[in-house]
Amino acid sequence: AQSVTQLDSHVSVSEGTPVLLRCNYSSSYSPSLFWYVQHPNKGLQLLLKYTSAATLVKGINGFEAEFKKSETSFHLTKPSAHMSDAAEYFCVVRAGYSTLTFGKGTMLLVSP
Amino acid sequence: DADVTQTPRNRITKTGKRIMLECSQTKGHDRMYWYRQDPGLGLRLIYYSFDVKDINKGEISDGYSVSRQAQAKFSLSLESAIPNQTALYFCATRNGVNTEAFFGQGTRLTVV
Repeated sequence: AQSVTQLDSHVSVSEGTPVLLRCNYSSSYSPSLFWYVQHPNKGLQLLLKYTSAATLVKGINGFEAEFKKSETSFHLTKPSAHMSDAAEYFCVVRAGYSTLTFGKGTMLLVSP
Repeated sequence: DADVTQTPRNRITKTGKRIMLECSQTKGHDRMYWYRQDPGLGLRLIYYSFDVKDINKGEISDGYSVSRQAQAKFSLSLESAIPNQTALYFCATRNGVNTEAFFGQGTRLTVV
């Protein structure tokens, strides 16, 4: 069995400040983990993925995430938020031969 | 052209009507999925198919059926639409075990 919990439904930051979106997962096997972004009225775009290689994963648009097995976490960070980062973000887990399981999403709000 | 194409993009239908949502892909992937997105609930899996002869129920398959007409085509049907099936529907494809999913642009379905 697998599950994923996004700890915040909404996160508000000011432009230029750091972003932290938190994700914890549960998995019976070594997981693959993904972060997707969804801009308003758009489909889902892959930001980054972890598949058992380096634990610090760099993605597009300056985002990165660190896989911490001991904490079962895969938090998404960015040093400096931009207005264009305002969107909904989904943490996703896949373990073994199972399908993808999505978190409920975190809405990132960026103010000027 | 998009790699994963969903038709229609928007649809309003009446309660009790049968409706089909279509998905086609040009990525050559063997695995195809249908998800439903509701605000605050993330994406939930309706049905998935690992090849033309393999169809599997997801966590919320009741009230839905699917057809995998070819490797590139995967359709979702609502046999008798009801208002709580109003949602944003996404088709996705994957190829392999540790790979990410690629999503269509979504179909916004409203049942009145």
